[in-house]
Amino acid sequence: GAGVSQTPSNKVTEKGKYVELRCDPISGHTALYWYRQSLGQGPEFLIYFQGTGAADDSGLPNDRFFAVRPEGSVSTLKIQRTERGDSAVYLCASSLTAGEASYNEQFFGPGTRLTVL
Amino acid sequence: ELKVEQNPLFLSMQEGKNYTIYCNYSTTSDRLYWYRQDPGKSLESLFVLLSNGAVKQEGRLMASLDTKARLSTLHITAAVHDLSATYFCAVDSANFGNEKLTFGTGTRLTIIP
Repeated sequence: GAGVSQTPSNKVTEKGKYVELRCDPISGHTALYWYRQSLGQGPEFLIYFQGTGAADDSGLPNDRFFAVRPEGSVSTLKIQRTERGDSAVYLCASSLTAGEASYNEQFFGPGTRLTVL
Repeated sequence: ELKVEQNPLFLSMQEGKNYTIYCNYSTTSDRLYWYRQDPGKSLESLFVLLSNGAVKQEGRLMASLDTKARLSTLHITAAVHDLSATYFCAVDSANFGNEKLTFGTGTRLTIIP
């Protein structure tokens, strides 16, 4: 079946612009995660959705970052007034659910490479 | 704050040799994950270790977990070129209802023919 998809695969923007990054999770997965991976580093957690609600947004670096998941499926990560330091690969992951007795494996999308000039 | 450390950060080894990558973490968690990442690609799940003493093997890779020592190892046996990639370990937050992952910095493995 289809895996997690993300669009665009690459985004180049100028400092100060607004960008939106989209994530389409695996069908039926209720949990959705956004991570950011800087060059040479491991992914860092940004925000987690269970259904439509953001259950944990503690990883968002500041108020320029915002994410939504209005219908409990597709999610959009929004970055306002982009800065050069926002340049990174933004990864989305989904899992069947979260909070069950057993673990829920996270499946990652291909990522969006954001470059802020 | 949960911290995850991997070593070595870089590993260059010849085909046919054995080596081990180490992953230490700072909090009590029984769930540890190993991922592989090829250049420019996303993360591929390799192993999920769910309890103390867990050992899993797939091909030339074997992962183990010691929750008391807060240590996981990824052992490579008789390495082949196809195993060249960056390997990440990750620990989940162990909070019921939110399994956000904290990743190590990765080990970049290069297998030399």
